[in-house]
Amino acid sequence: AQTVTQSQPEMSVQEAETVTLSCTYDTSESNYYLFWYKQPPSRQMILVIRQEAYKQQNATENRFSVNFQKAAKSFSLKISDSQLGDTAMYFCAFYSNTGNQFYFGTGTSLTVIP
Amino acid sequence: KAGVTQTPRYLIKTRGQQVTLSCSPISGHRSVSWYQQTPGQGLQFLFEYFSETQRNKGNFPGRFSGRQFSNSRSEMNVSTLELGDSALYLCASGPLAGLNNEQFFGPGTRLTVL
Repeated sequence: AQTVTQSQPEMSVQEAETVTLSCTYDTSESNYYLFWYKQPPSRQMILVIRQEAYKQQNATENRFSVNFQKAAKSFSLKISDSQLGDTAMYFCAFYSNTGNQFYFGTGTSLTVIP
Repeated sequence: KAGVTQTPRYLIKTRGQQVTLSCSPISGHRSVSWYQQTPGQGLQFLFEYFSETQRNKGNFPGRFSGRQFSNSRSEMNVSTLELGDSALYLCASGPLAGLNNEQFFGPGTRLTVL
């Protein structure tokens, strides 16, 4: 079975600074998809960024970017120019067509400090 | 467009009872997936439906079942409730089949089993 590990249960960052959230995963598949989802307090979960494993180029969405290291099975999320609205629980997730299962990490609670 | 809606938002049941949760996807979305979120186990995938057919299923006992109707609305049923079933149940919808695509989450149904 695939596993997704987020080793940082809690993190904090000063407003306007940059923070990196870590995620590692374990799989024997070669083609899969990785995601970062954000769950703000008492609000719905939303997709932050999506990466297809066969694409070497790191995905970017405005202030959010990933560092995808396929050989190391690492998928970290970098948030630049942190804003108060970035305060949320961040979940790393994995999906492969072969396994047809969707796996979440345990989450990282990020607090942006004004 | 209205987002994913889930009813009821809160539910209290006793052990041994059964419960049915409802999810209405975003208009035009035909894929619906369900997740269980607990403090101990985190976020776990339950199942995915597309065009009234179950495409994927997570590792949950047979007490957990679901279905999807022709209008894409989905229901999840849990029979013979156990204390450990207390959780936030999240529903997500997507325009395409497959969990490799972006999923749009609802606010969840908070189930408490006494």
